Amino acid sequence: AQTVTQSQPEMSVQEAETVTLSCTYDTSESDYYLFWYKQPPSRQMILVIRQEAYKQQNATENRFSVNFQKAAKSFSLKISDSQLGDAAMYFCAYKVGGTSYGKLTFGQGTILTVHP
Amino acid sequence: NAGVMQNPRHLVRRRGQEARLRCSPMKGHSHVYWYRQLPEEGLKFMVYLQKENIIDESGMPKERFSAEFPKEGPSILRIQQVVRGDSAAYFCASSPDRDRGTYGYTFGSGTRLTVV
Repeated sequence: AQTVTQSQPEMSVQEAETVTLSCTYDTSESDYYLFWYKQPPSRQMILVIRQEAYKQQNATENRFSVNFQKAAKSFSLKISDSQLGDAAMYFCAYKVGGTSYGKLTFGQGTILTVHP
Repeated sequence: NAGVMQNPRHLVRRRGQEARLRCSPMKGHSHVYWYRQLPEEGLKFMVYLQKENIIDESGMPKERFSAEFPKEGPSILRIQQVVRGDSAAYFCASSPDRDRGTYGYTFGSGTRLTVV
């Protein structure tokens, strides 16, 4: 079974600084997708960024980028120029690729605090 | 497009009562997923449905829990004879046929169930 592990229960960063959230996963599949979701206090789950395992290039979305190390099964999220609105719980998630349906496996989450 | 609509947002039930949680997927989405989030934990998959069919219920507790997605109307997650341990946030997500969640789901805002 696939597992996703986030080893940092909490992280903090100063406004305008950079922070990296860690995620590792375990799978025997070669085709899969990885996601980072943000959950602010409103509880809404917001997709931040996605990575396709067969693509070596790291995904980037504005201030958010990932460091995808397929051999190490590592998928970290880097937030640059942190803003107060980035404060939230962040979840790493995994989905098998191919033609299978879209069941997501989530990590335990990392609470990010942004200090002004 | 109103997104994924879940209601109620908050639900309080006494032990032994029934809880019915509703989810209306995004327009054009025929795949619905239910997840449960216990306090301080990540989201755990419960069930995956398409119109009138349960595709995967491997994450559903064997007793007291059921789900449906009728031809007309919202998807319903039903919990009979609720117990304190059922207290959690329940999230619904949807995806379209062509995607199957590859690009990440659209999540609702969740229903927070409190059992007293």
